[in-house]
Amino acid sequence: AQKVTQAQTEISVVEKEDVTLDCVYETRDTTYYLFWYKQPPSGELVFLIRRNSFDEQNEISGRYSWNFQKSTSSFNFTITASQVVDSAVYFCALSLEGETSGSRLTFGEGTQLTVNP
Amino acid sequence: DAGVTQSPTHLIKTRGQQVTLRCSPKSGHDTVSWYQQALGQGPQFIFQYYEEEERQRGNFPDRFSGHQFPNYSSELNVNALLLGDSALYLCASSLEGDNSPLNFGNGTWLTVT
Repeated sequence: AQKVTQAQTEISVVEKEDVTLDCVYETRDTTYYLFWYKQPPSGELVFLIRRNSFDEQNEISGRYSWNFQKSTSSFNFTITASQVVDSAVYFCALSLEGETSGSRLTFGEGTQLTVNP
Repeated sequence: DAGVTQSPTHLIKTRGQQVTLRCSPKSGHDTVSWYQQALGQGPQFIFQYYEEEERQRGNFPDRFSGHQFPNYSSELNVNALLLGDSALYLCASSLEGDNSPLNFGNGTWLTVT
């Protein structure tokens, strides 16, 4: 069985601070995908990034960056120079590779990020 | 290009009643998945429909059932509602064989009193 752990339940920062959201996962499969989603108060889950288990390159997209380390089973997400609009719940998720499995995501409990002006 | 749409937005039911939630997938998508998200928790996979059949199922009782129609839209039915069924129900769509991430709808907030 798969498991995703987000130990940080809530994080509060002041605007322009950098913030890192932690994610640790467990799976016995060697081929899998990792995801980050953002959930604003409206409820919709907004896709941010997907990485497959064979690609450990870190990625940067604007103010967002992701650090994937298989050795520690972690997939951490950093927001640089946070903004009030970044306030939301962020979920880390895992799915096993495969056409039918790809839709079955195992989510963590989420981290509520609040960015104060 | 409409995304995933769900109806109703909010719903209040009494314990023991039955409820039907509806989902229209993103245009061009043929696979629908349903998730339950209790307050303060991450979404949990309920089941997935493809070609009008349930293809995968999570750890949910038989009270949870679904249906997919020829136009790919889907319904989630919950019988004998319990207080613990109160949650946000999210629908996600995808295209079979396509490697794109899921598209989620805004969800239906179900309150059971």
